[in-house]
Amino acid sequence: GNSVTQMEGPVTLSEEAFLTINCTYTATGYPSLFWYVQYPGEGLQLLLKATKADDKGSNKGFEATYRKETTSFHLEKGSVQVSDSAVYFCALSDNAGNNRKLIWGLGTSLAVNP
Amino acid sequence: DAGVIQSPRHEVTEMGQEVTLRCKPISGHDYLFWYRQTMMRGLELLIYFNNNVPIDDSGMPEDRFSAKMPNASFSTLKIQPSEPRDSAVYFCASSTRYEQFFGPGTRLTVL
Repeated sequence: GNSVTQMEGPVTLSEEAFLTINCTYTATGYPSLFWYVQYPGEGLQLLLKATKADDKGSNKGFEATYRKETTSFHLEKGSVQVSDSAVYFCALSDNAGNNRKLIWGLGTSLAVNP
Repeated sequence: DAGVIQSPRHEVTEMGQEVTLRCKPISGHDYLFWYRQTMMRGLELLIYFNNNVPIDDSGMPEDRFSAKMPNASFSTLKIQPSEPRDSAVYFCASSTRYEQFFGPGTRLTVL
């Protein structure tokens, strides 16, 4: 079945460091891919998405490229800020019929120190 | 739009009591999801609805859990009787396509 694997956290960085959070997936068909972010005490919110191979999603300085050949959707940011401290979730959909379930990774906690 | 609304935000109850969590989805969204989040198990999908009809309840842990959606603007998740292992944050989310919009969650503590 479909699955998502994220790098384990926690990830701790200094402000202005480069961030990569790895995400790989297993899926049949042509899924859409998502990164969600959860700030402390809040619900998850969509950070960015990509719906087909080679698409790049971007938002708030974060980017991720849908790589079908490596089945990956790694999240990157060139210069993190303390306010980026949160848990990041990679997810995929199977785009089949009326199924709207998302398959979730376990989440990666990021702490950015000043 | 106010977003997905959940109530209560915090609930503390004693083992054996009935707990009801409530959710109001975003107007116009035809899918509604209930999730549970714990440190041990991460984010788990419990059940989801399409046009008020339950589509997949395979994530509901046991018969003590039930969910209803009597109309397009309201859903409940009920736990009866509650147990300490039910302590978690419960999220409701709604969508029209694949992007899900989450509520702020209900933090449930069962003593």
